[in-house]
Amino acid sequence: DTGVSQDPRHKITKRGQNVTFRCDPISEHNRLYWYRQTLGQGPEFLTYFQNEAQLEKSRLLSDRFSAERPKGSFSTLEIQRTEQGDSAMYLCASSKSLDRAYGYTFGSGTRLTVV
Amino acid sequence: AQSVAQPEDQVNVAEGNPLTVKCTYSVSGNPYLFWYVQYPNRGLQFLLKYITGDNLVKGSYGFEAEFNKSQTSFHLKKPSALVSDSALYFCAVRDWNRDDKIIFGKGTRLHILP
Repeated sequence: DTGVSQDPRHKITKRGQNVTFRCDPISEHNRLYWYRQTLGQGPEFLTYFQNEAQLEKSRLLSDRFSAERPKGSFSTLEIQRTEQGDSAMYLCASSKSLDRAYGYTFGSGTRLTVV
Repeated sequence: AQSVAQPEDQVNVAEGNPLTVKCTYSVSGNPYLFWYVQYPNRGLQFLLKYITGDNLVKGSYGFEAEFNKSQTSFHLKKPSALVSDSALYFCAVRDWNRDDKIIFGKGTRLHILP
């Protein structure tokens, strides 16, 4: 495992459906981050985990969004009752908590299109 | 709270000419500063970072960046642009006094003209 993996790469869903994305971080990284990137914008922070604990959630993360990292390894991000405004690239990144100078390793992202 | 400003949505440069992509930042403490590049439908790739020490930082693919504390800037530079440098570039900041996440600018699209 040499990088951060995200699945699926693309997801098209109808408005109102639920979707779930998966992220597998670098194995020795204990921190995992989720960001959202819309067209013409930089990545916006959503939430992050240290091991299995969710340490911070952005105000962007509405009640329809939930993230888990049950065993401190992979993470899932679920969006319930999707809306067209949820269409975006969802990026996952990982790092080691003891290395604040580390600039994260990003996955290739999951592009969500809500129709 | 920390923030990053990239004042240019797009920068156009002729191949072979020097390029500069501008970035200014705001943090309450001391900054860790980063540049990332993004190619179409891909995640972000790390280019370089400033932690401490020499204000001129060298990174991947011939890129460098200059940290200027008085102007709170961290501009990305390259002496001679290549067409393959065309991509979306993001400046980012982290406050090293706080155990906090990285905050990104909105990005600058770099277009190198052949």
